[in-house]
Amino acid sequence: GDSVTQMEGPVTLSEEAFLTINCTYTATGYPSLFWYVQYPGEGLQLLLKATKADDKGSNKGFEATYRKETTSFHLEKGSVQVSDSAVYFCAFPSGSARQLTFGSGTQLTVLP
Amino acid sequence: SQTIHQWPATLVQPVGSPLSLECTVEGTSNPNLYWYRQAAGRGLQLLFYSVGIGQISSEVPQNLSASRPQDRQFILSSKKLLLSDSGFYLCAWRRGRTIPSGANVLTFGAGSRLTVL
Repeated sequence: GDSVTQMEGPVTLSEEAFLTINCTYTATGYPSLFWYVQYPGEGLQLLLKATKADDKGSNKGFEATYRKETTSFHLEKGSVQVSDSAVYFCAFPSGSARQLTFGSGTQLTVLP
Repeated sequence: SQTIHQWPATLVQPVGSPLSLECTVEGTSNPNLYWYRQAAGRGLQLLFYSVGIGQISSEVPQNLSASRPQDRQFILSSKKLLLSDSGFYLCAWRRGRTIPSGANVLTFGAGSRLTVL
């Protein structure tokens, strides 16, 4: 069945470090792919998306490229900030109502 | 523009008491609506979704139920809460029709934190 495998956390980095959070998926066909972010005590916000193979989604310095060959959508940022501390979820739509299938989430903490 | 509202934001309830969480969407019509639960330190679990008034699909058997009395209103309920019902409940919506030009994004509310004592 459809599933998302996401890098286990928690991840702790120093400010200005490079970030990679791995995400691979198992799905029928080639769905759109999403990264959502959840700041402490809040709901989820869409961070970026890609709708087809080789698309690169980007927002707030974060990037992710839709790799069909490896069924991956890894999240990267060249220089993280303390304000990036949050939980990050990889997801794609599946099912009859296009509900999102989420990864388990990766907790990121950035230290000053 | 479209907005989604959830309330209450925080709720503390004793075991065995009833529950009602409400979610409304503004600025759109015929949305797909979803209830997710996030238990402490864990990922997101889809509980219910709805593609229209009175149409509810349940993803997992549980102590909860959902209703959609109006097009843009989605309610999560329980007759008797269990300790295991504690968690962060998230309502979400998306357009009912997939648009051809891009991804149909799921938009989430701010969440309702339920603590059952």
